[in-house]
Amino acid sequence: GENVEQHPSTLSVQEGDSAVIKCTYSDSASNYFPWYKQELGKGPQLIIDIRSNVGEKKDQRIAVTLNKTAKHFSLHITETQPEDSAVYFCAAKEVGGSQGNLIFGKGTKLSVKP
Amino acid sequence: NAGVTQTPKFQVLKTGQSMTLQCAQDMNHEYMSWYRQDPGMGLRLIHYSVGAGITDQGEVPNGYNVSRSTTEDFPLRLLSAAPSQTSVYFCASSWTFSDVGYTFGSGTRLTVV
Repeated sequence: GENVEQHPSTLSVQEGDSAVIKCTYSDSASNYFPWYKQELGKGPQLIIDIRSNVGEKKDQRIAVTLNKTAKHFSLHITETQPEDSAVYFCAAKEVGGSQGNLIFGKGTKLSVKP
Repeated sequence: NAGVTQTPKFQVLKTGQSMTLQCAQDMNHEYMSWYRQDPGMGLRLIHYSVGAGITDQGEVPNGYNVSRSTTEDFPLRLLSAAPSQTSVYFCASSWTFSDVGYTFGSGTRLTVV
């Protein structure tokens, strides 16, 4: 089955700096890669996603890149703000396949210091 | 719309007790799932359902039972709680098994003493 590795487990940056979180996946059949943000005491919320036919996607200060050959994808947050502090999860899924459950990485706790 | 509603928000059980974690969604989603979240372990899939009357096991199903008698509800049952089941439990749903837009509930924090 699919296995998703996520690094680092914790990340501390100064406000205004950039943050990068990296994930690798094992199953070449996976074709959908979302990122979720979990604030304290809440459930995860989708912030951005990318499909395997796209190499990069941006949404304001957030971007995700995908390297299918290397089986890794990354989340980039620019101009970080204190409200970006949260736990971020990457995930992988085979859309359209028979084993298409969403498999998550172990999470990255991002702290943005003012 | 309420989205995905989980009850209770907090629960303390004694070892060996049983209980049911409730999950209800009002979006007419076919796919529903249960995850548990433990420190350093991320979100791990317990059970899932692709529609009423259909359930299947995820990554960590032992000690848990589920049923799906209606589209709206997907309860998770602990028959004999163990300290290893202390965790935060999340229910998630989406339109179909192939859909990519998961909606998560706000979670149930369970402590087994």
